[in-house]
Amino acid sequence: NAGVTQTPKFQVLKTGQSMTLQCAQDMNHEYMSWYRQDPGMGLRLIHYSVGAGITDQGEVPNGYNVSRSTTEDFPLRLLSAAPSQTSVYFCASSIQGGGTGELFFGEGSRLTVL
Amino acid sequence: KNEVEQSPQNLTAQEGEFITINCSYSVGISALHWLQQHPGGGIVSLFMLSSGKKKHGRLIATINIQEKHSSLHITASHPRDSAVYICAVKTGNKLTFGGGTRVLVKP
Repeated sequence: NAGVTQTPKFQVLKTGQSMTLQCAQDMNHEYMSWYRQDPGMGLRLIHYSVGAGITDQGEVPNGYNVSRSTTEDFPLRLLSAAPSQTSVYFCASSIQGGGTGELFFGEGSRLTVL
Repeated sequence: KNEVEQSPQNLTAQEGEFITINCSYSVGISALHWLQQHPGGGIVSLFMLSSGKKKHGRLIATINIQEKHSSLHITASHPRDSAVYICAVKTGNKLTFGGGTRVLVKP
């Protein structure tokens, strides 16, 4: 099993550009979530999904869109990147909602917005 | 005030010492996670607790739901335990994270 796979690992964008961070898991987990990690702030929840077709906002959803068309994939879209979105992004999954059961994290994606 | 507070923020220990990291939270929760973030950035799950105590190797995690407090203990610490340790609390379908405790174990 590959676990949780995030791509790309590194990305540099200019202000106003759009991009998608990909997240895929092969463990048939219902729950998937996106976090950003900033120095001194800890991990913060952006969006989450409790199953295919269901998504909801977390603590810091502005500027980000998500969709969950399949159980395996949970992409995070930045529609118009801003320097404030410079961060390290992590995708995580678990078997049930809200991290019920062990959490599995992707390796992270470091995004820089110039 | 953050919903999840960890202490200390930084900790340096000599190899072999007993280490304790604390996590306090202010909301009702259904579970608490302890995570380890390696210097390379990867995050792994150590424990999920809803009550009592769990042990895995040299790691022990406890939780007191009434006092809204959890501790992570590392016995016989080793330099490979050097990492950031993060607690996260589950409320509904969401996780809220503490700021992490950076642990350095010197040989």
